Amino acid sequence: DTGVSQNPRHKITKRGQNVTFRCDPISEHNRLYWYRQTLGQGPEFLTYFQNEAQLEKSRLLSDRFSAERPKGSFSTLEIQRTEQGDSAMYLCASSFDRTLRELFFGEGSRLTVL
Amino acid sequence: AQTVTQSQPEMSVQEAETVTLSCTYDTSESNYYLFWYKQPPSRQMILVIRQEAYKQQNATENRFSVNFQKAAKSFSLKISDSQLGDTAMYFCASFLPDSNYQLIWGAGTKLIIKP
Repeated sequence: DTGVSQNPRHKITKRGQNVTFRCDPISEHNRLYWYRQTLGQGPEFLTYFQNEAQLEKSRLLSDRFSAERPKGSFSTLEIQRTEQGDSAMYLCASSFDRTLRELFFGEGSRLTVL
Repeated sequence: AQTVTQSQPEMSVQEAETVTLSCTYDTSESNYYLFWYKQPPSRQMILVIRQEAYKQQNATENRFSVNFQKAAKSFSLKISDSQLGDTAMYFCASFLPDSNYQLIWGAGTKLIIKP
């Protein structure tokens, strides 16, 4: 499968714990995006990488959130000291084209904070 | 700020019928792109159709077509001969090439195709 891969698909954690999600984009895509999606809503932009450089971060991304993309390949999104409000689907997407002619999405990582 | 509005939270039609999903957007830019994405239950988001604002001709992809009204800032999606597999959330989104590479998303329309 050469699509966008996200792991884990579902994470249940207790409030205050740290969680990390991984995204493996399509190999030739240099642009990688993280979104958060809550039930019944559209995706909310979190952050964007071009190669290994993090070029944009949303105001939604508090200090507890950090994302990396070492070597411009896979990316990780870490949430520290999770809160119940962090419960959501975290979507990763990648693109080759700067005009976003098409974003390719992974199946998402669902976070449940108890 | 750029906004995208989908005014229909949920719609349902019978299989083989035609359905139109509404989307309006607000931008002061002249160069932008508009998209419809489909998110089936428990599956990933996929692109349905794309429209460049500078193109007057409405985009078409098989059973899917758009009605792009630039002056009215309207971008509706028409699904002809609807199929059970069309059941999904449909999201309208816009993109400004000279912005910070973000897609602006609508809240989505849940489409249910009934057998």
